[in-house]
Amino acid sequence: QLVLTQSPSASASLGASVKLTCTLSSGHSSYAIAWHQQQPEKGPRYLMKLNSDGSHSKGDGIPDRFSGSSSGAERYLTISSLQSEDEADYYCQTWGTGTSWVFGGGTKLTVL
Amino acid sequence: QITLKESGPTLVKPTQTLTLTCTFSGFSLSTSGVGVGWIRQPPGKALEWLALIYWDDDKRYSPSLKSRLTITKDTSKNQVVLTMTNMDPVDTATYYCAHSRWLVLDYWGQGTLVTVSS
Repeated sequence: QLVLTQSPSASASLGASVKLTCTLSSGHSSYAIAWHQQQPEKGPRYLMKLNSDGSHSKGDGIPDRFSGSSSGAERYLTISSLQSEDEADYYCQTWGTGTSWVFGGGTKLTVL
Repeated sequence: QITLKESGPTLVKPTQTLTLTCTFSGFSLSTSGVGVGWIRQPPGKALEWLALIYWDDDKRYSPSLKSRLTITKDTSKNQVVLTMTNMDPVDTATYYCAHSRWLVLDYWGQGTLVTVSS
């Protein structure tokens, strides 16, 4: 079964960097994912598609501070030079021909 | 520029059927690889995928909700409609529609809050 696992929360200081993790279930380590950001009281926004080799393509207007990387079944979202507006929920999402879309449980990022 | 907007009732009663419309612009749902899907988010909870319709009219549904959902498209009107039967208070959520290209979800609508209450 295709499942995405995320830590419920993360925190980092203003101006620092943070790396969020999304883990694919066993047998699905080759899958690409997408990262989405949801700021408080707003709808989600697509950040990027991240492939298993670490290559990624970002959505319209996404700053260079956001980047992605991969290692095995883990997919990472790194945000550098953290700003207050980066405080948000971050969701990973993947897709399969049988199950279509699958979402992780989300990580709530607090900027200290 | 791709945009999507959800519309429908803000309040439905238990056991009623919910009908939501996604009206979009900036793309055609007859283009190969394109899909439009629905996702919901109960207050304070995570995103949950509901249904997806492809350019070739292939349809996919969340296994846990499949018996209650129907998704259709009207390419000429640039609309996708989702119906959900037998609504319950636990279905209270913000409902989003979204665009995909070869299954990559890359544009979201603003969402519409639906409350289920008698």
